[in-house]
Amino acid sequence: EVQLVESGGGLVQPGGSLRLSCAASGFTFSSYWMHWVRQAPGKGLVWVSRINSDGSSTSYADSVKGRFTISRDNAKNTLYLQMNSLRAEDTAVYYCARRGAWGRFDPWGQGTLVTVSS
Amino acid sequence: AIQMTQSPSSLSASVGDRVTITCRASQGIRNDLGWYQQKPGKAPKLLIYAASSLQSGVPSRFSGSGSGTDFTLTISSLQPEDFATYYCLQDYNYPPAFGQGTKLEIK
Repeated sequence: EVQLVESGGGLVQPGGSLRLSCAASGFTFSSYWMHWVRQAPGKGLVWVSRINSDGSSTSYADSVKGRFTISRDNAKNTLYLQMNSLRAEDTAVYYCARRGAWGRFDPWGQGTLVTVSS
Repeated sequence: AIQMTQSPSSLSASVGDRVTITCRASQGIRNDLGWYQQKPGKAPKLLIYAASSLQSGVPSRFSGSGSGTDFTLTISSLQPEDFATYYCLQDYNYPPAFGQGTKLEIK
């Protein structure tokens, strides 16, 4: 079964750091671009970042550029999102998603909640 | 950056109704558009990709159309399990952009 499982969310103070992980199984992880998407409580979906299949190219939303770093370990079939200098507005459920052919974001992980609050 | 304008933001309908949701891109995106369904507390689920291709396992009552700037998701006969929030997503260029969402509620 093709599956993505996020972990690493939690409560962090403003200015703090957190690293999210997304463990992939059931497919050849190293062949796919991967994305992070977030959703603030009661709000819509917002794209955060992407990484290409070998990790040599990344992109970020302007709102997180310079603070977040996406990376991957293809040997461990795991995607990461290092989040530094966290702000209250980063509070959201963070989803990882695989990008397949024809722009398909599928599957998605179950999401992990990040709460930035003092 | 490309902006995706989705309408309506909410929609009230009955089981068996035909409903249409629209997404408009601020510039042409060929057919690089997907439609996603999200239920409360759950991850989004892909319904349609490349504007009009039905994802495997998705019921045939869902269909998509459009190209360029104007796109439509149609549900031909609403079922109880279809009440959810729907999002479009453009993947033509970076950054990828979602529409604001359409919450489909039971009348």
